[in-house]
Amino acid sequence: EVQLVESGGGLVQPGGSLRLSCSASGFTFSSYAMHWVRQAPGKGLEYVSAISSNGGSTYYADSVKGRFTISRDNSKNTLYLQMSSLRAEDTAVYYCVKDTKLYSSGWYKAFDYWGQGTLVTVSS
Amino acid sequence: DIQMTQSPSSLSASVGDRVTITCRASQSISSYLNWYQQKPGKAPKLLIYAASSLQSGVPSRFSGSGSGTDFTLTISSLQPEDFATYYCQQSYSSFTFGPGTKVDIK
Repeated sequence: EVQLVESGGGLVQPGGSLRLSCSASGFTFSSYAMHWVRQAPGKGLEYVSAISSNGGSTYYADSVKGRFTISRDNSKNTLYLQMSSLRAEDTAVYYCVKDTKLYSSGWYKAFDYWGQGTLVTVSS
Repeated sequence: DIQMTQSPSSLSASVGDRVTITCRASQSISSYLNWYQQKPGKAPKLLIYAASSLQSGVPSRFSGSGSGTDFTLTISSLQPEDFATYYCQQSYSSFTFGPGTKVDIK
């Protein structure tokens, strides 16, 4: 059974830092790209960051570029999101998400497994 | 960047109703369109990928159609467990979610 368990969320002051972790199990972690998606309270889903299976390629949404760093340790089956210079608008539930490729007359990417999310609150 | 819109933003329906949600991309994304269902306090769940392919384990009352810029998600006969928020997502160039459509009980 695939499991993604996030940790590291909490209350942090504006300008502060926080590191989220996501422990993965039930699949070959090193074979899949991974993502972070966030959801502000009462709002929709926002795509935040991605990392390739070997960690060699990363992507960041403009809203977090230069402030957040995604990384992974395939020996520990763990995904990370280092967040710095946090702002009130970064307050959200952060989901760790597994990438997949599904075939339908071609290969298509989708997010097939999500963690339960960890809440980050940026407030003084 | 590709922008996604959805309509309506919310709708009220009764059990047994046929429900249709529309998603539009700001440029052609071929069939690189996914649909997710999210219930309150829960993580999203993949329903449809490649615009019209049903994810394993998803009931057949859910269907998707469209290509290019215009897509629809249809629930043929709404069930009590279908009251949720639905999001479209493009996977043509990186990933972008639509703003969501909340389906609640009439």
